[in-house]
Amino acid sequence: GAVVSQHPSWVICKSGTSVKIECRSLDFQATTMFWYRQFPKQSLMLMATSNEGSKATYEQGVEKDKFLINHASLTLSTLTVTSAHPEDSSFYICSARSGAFYNSPLHFGNGTRLTVT
Amino acid sequence: SQELEQSPQSLIVQEGKNLTINCTSSKTLYGLYWYKQKYGEGLIFLMMLQKGGEEKSHEKITAKLDEKKQQSSLHITASQPSHAGIYLCGAGPPFGNEKLTFGTGTRLTIIP
Repeated sequence: GAVVSQHPSWVICKSGTSVKIECRSLDFQATTMFWYRQFPKQSLMLMATSNEGSKATYEQGVEKDKFLINHASLTLSTLTVTSAHPEDSSFYICSARSGAFYNSPLHFGNGTRLTVT
Repeated sequence: SQELEQSPQSLIVQEGKNLTINCTSSKTLYGLYWYKQKYGEGLIFLMMLQKGGEEKSHEKITAKLDEKKQQSSLHITASQPSHAGIYLCGAGPPFGNEKLTFGTGTRLTIIP
């Protein structure tokens, strides 16, 4: 089945540094990928839609300059948390739709746990 | 925006027992997705429902979408430890958009 790979699975960084998270679709092409954030014991909140070859679309309340998204190819989207602070510590998950139809299921990566010290 | 409410928030079930998780929407559901998540891991796609009255099964898990397309249920028969995890329902809007809104989640614990 369709596989979405996310890397790294966990990262610890110091406050003020930047962290890049990669999301790859391994056996299909994804013109659109989605980035979600999940706080402990809470549901997933959509942060942004990553579009191959164009700018990402951010959800209301998500800082574009804080969370930089780049979708340079049909199989790779990256999320960079810039100048990270402890409040950015969270679980970040990407997803991509494997089929051409709007109702094809989304496949999710295994997530990245970010801890900012 | 569409809101999804799941019930119960948490569930502790003895191994071998049946259980049901509900997902209620504030608006009509055009596409309802069920996912399972183990804590700190990604989501595993279980099933997708689109039509009112639709029912799908996979192994011991059955999902239904009511006729009015505003409520879905996930039923597990003869639960096993492998069923433990967080179950999330997600709703997709109509044509042309792929974003999912997720429910609040149900944490399922299976006790031997």
